[in-house]
Amino acid sequence: NAGVTQTPKFRVLKTGQSMTLLCAQDMNHEYMYWYRQDPGMGLRLIHYSVGEGTTAKGEVPDGYNVSRLKKQNFLLGLESAAPSQTSVYFCASTAFQNTGELFFGEGSRLTVL
Amino acid sequence: LAKTTQPISMDSYEGQEVNITCSHNNIATNDYITWYQQFPSQGPRFIIQGYKTKVTNEVASLFIPADRKSSTLSLPRVSLSDTAVYYCLVGSLAGGNEKLTFGTGTRLTIIP
Repeated sequence: NAGVTQTPKFRVLKTGQSMTLLCAQDMNHEYMYWYRQDPGMGLRLIHYSVGEGTTAKGEVPDGYNVSRLKKQNFLLGLESAAPSQTSVYFCASTAFQNTGELFFGEGSRLTVL
Repeated sequence: LAKTTQPISMDSYEGQEVNITCSHNNIATNDYITWYQQFPSQGPRFIIQGYKTKVTNEVASLFIPADRKSSTLSLPRVSLSDTAVYYCLVGSLAGGNEKLTFGTGTRLTIIP
């Protein structure tokens, strides 16, 4: 029972470098979400997807891109990392008929120097 | 999209009952209210969910008044392991509210 798996769990980047975070879920969920959480702060929605091939912007989408080529995977990309993107990133998923119960991954800690 | 407001922090002693209130004045008819618990360095995890009146499970109770503009998470007889951040989330995919956004959360500290 893997649930929601995020890779990598830790990463250090230099300003201007690019990288991709992978979120994989094995629950056949239609909806997937990417959140960021800065130290001592709440969760802010970056992008989300309501199904394979679809994505939408959340509260703080600038500087990020996403793709949902397969139903089980949701990728979050940083094309040119900035120190302001230092954060912990959480992926979550849920089924389309759900009333708001999200299943979260363990998080990916990203540091941009 | 209903915006939520919670107290930033709360302290309580072990063994006491703790009530955390969330305000959501603009809640929509199809929205549900869901509470999450988050420990440091972990993702949030589901605690309880409700639509109206009272819901109880093995870890908490959720009280929702008739107007549904607020909700109260009740944790009975808290212990040190209940120290965490608690978030209320208002939304419903069934109601077309796909953009599930969280408030700032309440940092609960349990004192021995």
